[in-house]
Amino acid sequence: EAGVTQFPSHSVIEKGQTVTLRCDPISGHDNLYWYRRVMGKEIKFLLHFVKESKQDESGMPNNRFLAERTGGTYSTLKVQPAELEDSGVYFCASSQQGAEGYNEQFFGPGTRLTVL
Amino acid sequence: AQKITQTQPGMFVQEKEAVTLDCTYDTSDQSYGLFWYKQPSSGEMIFLIYQGSYDEQNATEGRYSLNFQKARKSANLVISASQLGDSAMYFCAMRGGWGAQKLVFGQGTRLTINP
Repeated sequence: EAGVTQFPSHSVIEKGQTVTLRCDPISGHDNLYWYRRVMGKEIKFLLHFVKESKQDESGMPNNRFLAERTGGTYSTLKVQPAELEDSGVYFCASSQQGAEGYNEQFFGPGTRLTVL
Repeated sequence: AQKITQTQPGMFVQEKEAVTLDCTYDTSDQSYGLFWYKQPSSGEMIFLIYQGSYDEQNATEGRYSLNFQKARKSANLVISASQLGDSAMYFCAMRGGWGAQKLVFGQGTRLTINP
């Protein structure tokens, strides 16, 4: 069974440009999460999809970030326009439906975004 | 609000020794879960172990065990008989509240195993 995949693995863009990150969750996982780690800081939650619906987007930093999950499969995270402070590693995770108790989130390898 | 604190930015341990990575947490929720993840240099996040707040026994998974002290709000990870491949970043995380899904992470501890 394939794990969570993310594309691209690295992205280097200039300030003001647009970047779109993609995440393919494990097949059958209804829950999809985005997290990011800014250099030297803790990994922070961005948002959570259940199928195609945004369940919790309390971690989205501002309106330059737009996440979508059309059809409840893969998800994209667009940053437009990118700023220097957006640099970091963006992780995607997925889990099966079922909120309580042990519900492991499987993480992708991350996309390292560098904004120059 | 939930908070995870990992006070050890880096640790150096000799191969085959046991190592304890500290994690303390703060939450007002009665029901919560605690996780440890490993991130090797390749970047992927690997789940290691889980402890539920109502679990009476400490969780164990192979060489990993979680020393859960609920009254002290601590969830330390113990790795027995460390190996060179254990060198990595280790993150403690919490999921709290009924129905909550998001994980709150600590800043991580970089563990280096010396031969």
